[in-house]
Amino acid sequence: EVQLVESGGGLVQPGGSLRLSCSASGFTFSTCAMHWVRQAPGKGLEYVSAISSNGGSTYYSDSVKGRFTISRDNSKNTLYLQMSSLRTEDTAVYYCAKRVPGVKRYDYWGQGTLVTVSS
Amino acid sequence: QTVVTQESSFSVSPGGTVTLTCGLSSGSVSTSYYPSWYQQTPGQAPRSLIFNTNTRSSGVPDRFSGSILGNKAALTITGAQADDECDYYCVLYMGPGISVFGGGTKLTVL
Repeated sequence: EVQLVESGGGLVQPGGSLRLSCSASGFTFSTCAMHWVRQAPGKGLEYVSAISSNGGSTYYSDSVKGRFTISRDNSKNTLYLQMSSLRTEDTAVYYCAKRVPGVKRYDYWGQGTLVTVSS
Repeated sequence: QTVVTQESSFSVSPGGTVTLTCGLSSGSVSTSYYPSWYQQTPGQAPRSLIFNTNTRSSGVPDRFSGSILGNKAALTITGAQADDECDYYCVLYMGPGISVFGGGTKLTVL
């Protein structure tokens, strides 16, 4: 059974940092691109960042570019999102999502972890 | 900045048919954008419904279908049921590693 479990969310002050993790199981993690998608309270889904299966390519939305860093450790089946210079508008539930190799869709999502940026 | 547009809300009667659309602020949606559709109930992670414009994900009933209508991607639900009442998101592929979500459509079945 495929499982994606996010952790690391919490309350942080504006300008602070936080690292999210997504632990994956039930599939061959090293063959799948992975994405982070967020959802602000009461709002829609928003693409945040993506990483290729081997970690060699990374991508970011304009809203987080230069502040967030996506990475992965295929030996630990874990995806990360290092967030810095956090703003109140970064407050959201952050989901990790698995891409189907060679297919442009998300087939599995984690349950999300809440990040609250507030003073 | 590419903006993917969706109706903010839509209503359908039980048993009725509804078509939700997904457009671009500038230009037309084609199969080259590999439109996909996701369903989300409150407090839950999204669920994949349709990908590659019109391919249903595993376990999705055939009353959900995807297409290109004019210059937009479309999700059609035939025989709407009460538990179809939730939010629907389209996603367009914009290049390697880049996806853009529409703002979502809140569907009411009443």
